Amino acid sequence: GQQLNQSPQSMFIQEGEDVSMNCTSSSIFNTWLWYKQDPGEGPVLLIALYKAGELTSNGRLTAQFGITRKDSFLNISASIPSDVGIYFCAGHDDKIIFGKGTRLHILP
Amino acid sequence: NAGVTQTPKFRILKIGQSMTLQCTQDMNHNYMYWYRQDPGMGLKLIYYSVGAGITDKGEVPNGYNVSRSTTEDFPLRLELAAPSQTSVYFCASSYYRVGVDQPQHFGDGTRLSIL
Repeated sequence: GQQLNQSPQSMFIQEGEDVSMNCTSSSIFNTWLWYKQDPGEGPVLLIALYKAGELTSNGRLTAQFGITRKDSFLNISASIPSDVGIYFCAGHDDKIIFGKGTRLHILP
Repeated sequence: NAGVTQTPKFRILKIGQSMTLQCTQDMNHNYMYWYRQDPGMGLKLIYYSVGAGITDKGEVPNGYNVSRSTTEDFPLRLELAAPSQTSVYFCASSYYRVGVDQPQHFGDGTRLSIL
C-alpha cells in the first residue's frame, strides 16, 4: 500500500531555532496536509497544499508541495515552547495516508 | 461549540468482548472518519462515511464495523476484541472531502486497551 516517509523522527532544538521536516512518497498525491498533535489530543490541521509547487504560509509555518507531487516540507521559523508536539504529514488522494510523525522537542 | 465528541475517553476490555465507540459531531458535516493511532505511529484510516447511510472501508477495516444512520453520529463497533486492537481511536469530520479547502476536525480520542 501507499506509504509516506517522514523525517526526521525526532528533533531536539533550542528555542529560537528554525525547524525543517519533510515527507516523501513513492506515490503521487493530489493534496498534502500538515497536522500538529499535542499530547492527549487529536491532530489539528496546520496547512493544506493543493497544487504542485505551491508554497503556503501560516504565521511562522511555511510548507511546500513538491513539483513531482511526491514530497512536501514544513518549516517553522524562530521556534517557541508551544511548538513542541508531533507533526504529521498526510497525503490525500481517494483516502488520507499519514506519515509516522516528527517529534519536536525544545531544549530549555 | 462542542465540535467532535468521542465517548468513552478510556476503556479496558477483555479479549473477546465487544463494544461500541461513540462519535458525534454538531457541525452538520457530511464526511466522518475513524482512525487508529498506535504508539509512535501516524493515524491509519479504519472506515469513513461520506453521508448518512453510506460507509466505506479505509486502510485497516478488519475487526471493525460502522454505521451512519444520521449525519451527526458515526459509531465504531468492535465485535471480538483482540490485543492487536489496543490503540487510540480518533473520530474526525469535515463538511466536504478534505483537500477541497475543508479541514478535518478531530475528537480528543478514545484510549482502548485489550487485555
